[in-house]
Amino acid sequence: GAGVSQSPRYKVAKRGQDVALRCDPISGHVSLFWYQQALGQGPEFLTYFQNEAQLDKSGLPSDRFFAERPEGSVSTLKIQRTQQEDSAVYLCATLSRGDSPLHFGNGTRLTVT
Amino acid sequence: AQSVTQLDSHVSVSEGTPVLLRCNYSSSYSPSLFWYVQHPNKGLQLLLKYTSAATLVKGINGFEAEFKKSETSFHLTKPSAHMSDAAEYFCVVSGGGYNKLIFGAGTRLAVHP
Repeated sequence: GAGVSQSPRYKVAKRGQDVALRCDPISGHVSLFWYQQALGQGPEFLTYFQNEAQLDKSGLPSDRFFAERPEGSVSTLKIQRTQQEDSAVYLCATLSRGDSPLHFGNGTRLTVT
Repeated sequence: AQSVTQLDSHVSVSEGTPVLLRCNYSSSYSPSLFWYVQHPNKGLQLLLKYTSAATLVKGINGFEAEFKKSETSFHLTKPSAHMSDAAEYFCVVSGGGYNKLIFGAGTRLAVHP
């Protein structure tokens, strides 16, 4: 596709459920980022991949959060035992090599009830 | 460490009047600075980018920003607001060697007829 695609667009989970959020990057984009945007806040960095290597996961808020990108393309952000404070929009952004801008997806809005 | 502070959480202007969205940054070295716009239920869109070339940066839709090192500021301006400019605006600094973006809290711009 022409842009970064995220699915599902909306996800409602009951507290304690596991969720998996998917990011399909622009073809050929090496770098991939996940961000968390709480209501009324700016996006906050979660983790970064270069190809399949997860080079920075310093922003993951707890060990319930796990991200992977096994073949260096599609990435999945998994949240185990969801809590209400996990409710947010999760944004994926990708970047080709060089000094090009980040391309953001439209995000997945997660609501934990 | 890099950070940005957006000085106004909400700005309201009348259509046709100038827009000023204020941002101060903190960086231990010469930063890359950005402004992004987020319309409701839309992805983040890059407005403009500063990377130590010209201090006055022109972006899309008539926006521009001036990098002032002495004031550690990167304010966003537009001479004449349009109704379609109503959105959330984020000032962003790039940290680290892999384009990790650090977002401000955002300024919500309202444009009244």
